[in-house]
Amino acid sequence: EVQLVESGGGLVQPGGSLRLSCAASGFTFSTYGMNWVRQAPGKGLEWVSYISRSSNSIIYADSVKGRFTISRDNAKNSLYLQMNSLRDEDTAVYYCAREPIAVSGLDYWGQGSLVTVSS
Amino acid sequence: EIVLTQSPGTLSLSPGERATLSCRASQSVSSNYLVWYQQKPGQAPRLLIYGASSRATGIPDRFSGSGSGTDFTLTISRLEPEDFAVYYCQQYGNSPRLTFGGGTKVEIK
Repeated sequence: EVQLVESGGGLVQPGGSLRLSCAASGFTFSTYGMNWVRQAPGKGLEWVSYISRSSNSIIYADSVKGRFTISRDNAKNSLYLQMNSLRDEDTAVYYCAREPIAVSGLDYWGQGSLVTVSS
Repeated sequence: EIVLTQSPGTLSLSPGERATLSCRASQSVSSNYLVWYQQKPGQAPRLLIYGASSRATGIPDRFSGSGSGTDFTLTISRLEPEDFAVYYCQQYGNSPRLTFGGGTKVEIK
């Protein structure tokens, strides 16, 4: 069974940092591109970042570029999102999501990890 | 940046009725790059349709997608109780890589 489990969310002050993790199981992690997508409370979905299978292609939304860093460890079947210089508007549930083939949609999602940026 | 506009914002229907959801793009989108998701309260989104009209694995055939260019449609032929949810369209672009529409909520009338 495919599983994606996020962790690392919590309450952080503006300007602070947080690192999200996504543990993958039930599939060959190294053969899939991965994404982070977030959803502010009561709002729609916003794509955050993408990393290719071998990490040779990394892309960010303009809203997080220069502040967030996506990475993966295929040996540990894990995806990460390092979030620095956090702002109030970064408050959201963060989902990791698998992308089986480029531009084919995100076929499996984690349950999400809530990040709250507040003083 | 391509903007996706979904309409209506809310659709009030009864079980058994047909639902027609619209997703309009601000510029032409390749049909290969148009995707639909379903999201229920407290849950992650679920992939329904990719390539504008291909059903994802395990998706019932009452869900269908169509369209091209700037106008795309998700149709649910006969609403089941479990279909009441929020639906999002999504497209792949150059920058940003993925964009989502604002969503359509299908609620029980």
